[in-house]
Amino acid sequence: RKEVEQDPGPFNVPEGATVAFNCTYSNSASQSFFWYRQDCRKEPKLLMSVYSSGNEDGRFTAQLNRASQYISLLIRDSKLSDSATYLCVVNSGSGYALNFGKGTSLLVTP
Amino acid sequence: NAGVTQTPKFRVLKTGQSMTLLCAQDMNHEYMYWYRQDPGMGLRLIHYSVGEGTTAKGEVPDGYNVSRLKKQNFLLGLESAAPSQTSVYFCASITDRGDSGANVLTFGAGSRLTVL
Repeated sequence: RKEVEQDPGPFNVPEGATVAFNCTYSNSASQSFFWYRQDCRKEPKLLMSVYSSGNEDGRFTAQLNRASQYISLLIRDSKLSDSATYLCVVNSGSGYALNFGKGTSLLVTP
Repeated sequence: NAGVTQTPKFRVLKTGQSMTLLCAQDMNHEYMYWYRQDPGMGLRLIHYSVGEGTTAKGEVPDGYNVSRLKKQNFLLGLESAAPSQTSVYFCASITDRGDSGANVLTFGAGSRLTVL
């Protein structure tokens, strides 16, 4: 089982819709959690860190559920510019490597 | 402040040729990483370095070598390129590995390598 798993999608949603992605992780000792955004043929960039208490940044909300070992990303009022691949990243706490999910593809349509 | 710079951005090699990818960061980061990204495979760690003069193997190190002679530079070498090494290579760096949740990987723009 991979350490970090995501539904690859694609998620096709109309503008203005609300969409949510989940990401599960296998190592219960994982310490840090992040969502990165990757546009086509570009490098990944941090979207937001995920804190134990959950956090919100504008239209984006991230949640952490340690008991069930998953993190989520909620996007409200989707924009065309939100079309991208969203990568779940987990620091397993072992060594210096962050573990990446394979990404979830989102396409927002007019 | 350029962040993380990778060179070259594109390269085509023939099987058996060698080449070196250069990653340079100007943020005084201790930790640097080389990843490869292939369709359907996500990002996979090749090698990483936790400081000048140190390197370690990641998930897919075979066929690659690395060096970190200077803190700001992390070199990825292919001694004898194979078609299976056709990929997009990303370098990244980070300054602190505490668990505050605020530590952010900064990526370079990527290097697209094709091995014929």
